Amino acid sequence: KQEVTQIPAALSVPEGENLVLNCSFTDSAIYNLQWFRQDPGKGLTSLLLIQSSQREQTSGRLNASLDKSSGRSTLYIAASQPGDSATYLCAVKWADSGGSNYKLTFGKGTLLTVNP
Amino acid sequence: ETGVTQTPRHLVMGMTNKKSLKCEQHLGHNAMYWYKQSAKKPLELMFVYNFKEQTENNSVPSRFSPECPNSSHLFLHLHTLQPEDSALYLCASSQDPAGYSYNEQFFGPGTRLTVL
Repeated sequence: KQEVTQIPAALSVPEGENLVLNCSFTDSAIYNLQWFRQDPGKGLTSLLLIQSSQREQTSGRLNASLDKSSGRSTLYIAASQPGDSATYLCAVKWADSGGSNYKLTFGKGTLLTVNP
Repeated sequence: ETGVTQTPRHLVMGMTNKKSLKCEQHLGHNAMYWYKQSAKKPLELMFVYNFKEQTENNSVPSRFSPECPNSSHLFLHLHTLQPEDSALYLCASSQDPAGYSYNEQFFGPGTRLTVL
């Protein structure tokens, strides 16, 4: 069974700081890993998706890395802004015991606050 | 906007009430999902429908009853809920059937449910 852990649970930084959010997973046999953003009371918005064969993906100020062998991913946010304040969720896609049915397992998320 | 809408956005109900949550996707997708998001817990997958057929029920109590009349609409009928059922209920859809490796889910904004 796959378990996904996100550390820290909450993070508060001043505006302009570069920061890293962490995600770890217990089973390295994943298909892909996805980072989502969730604003308070809202649904999930996909930020970056990294296939298992990739090492990183970039979109604007966001860079996500994947190290499958160690079961880790990081989301790097450069020059943070107050508008980046949200909960960031990591989700891992993996195949269950039969190998043909893929499931998506989420972490609990990291609540990021960027202070002006 | 992700193309997935949910109504109502907020719902307060008593333990003896009967209510329904509605989800509609405008993306022409073939699979729809209900998730539960409780405070300090990861998203929990509740139900999955592929081509209007329920393919997954993750041990959800019978007081939650899903209905998928067509591939664009998904309902969650609620009756005799408990206070611990208070949570954000998220709907998602995907072009490819659930369980496929390459399907990507798009989420609605959620319904914030409070059970008194």
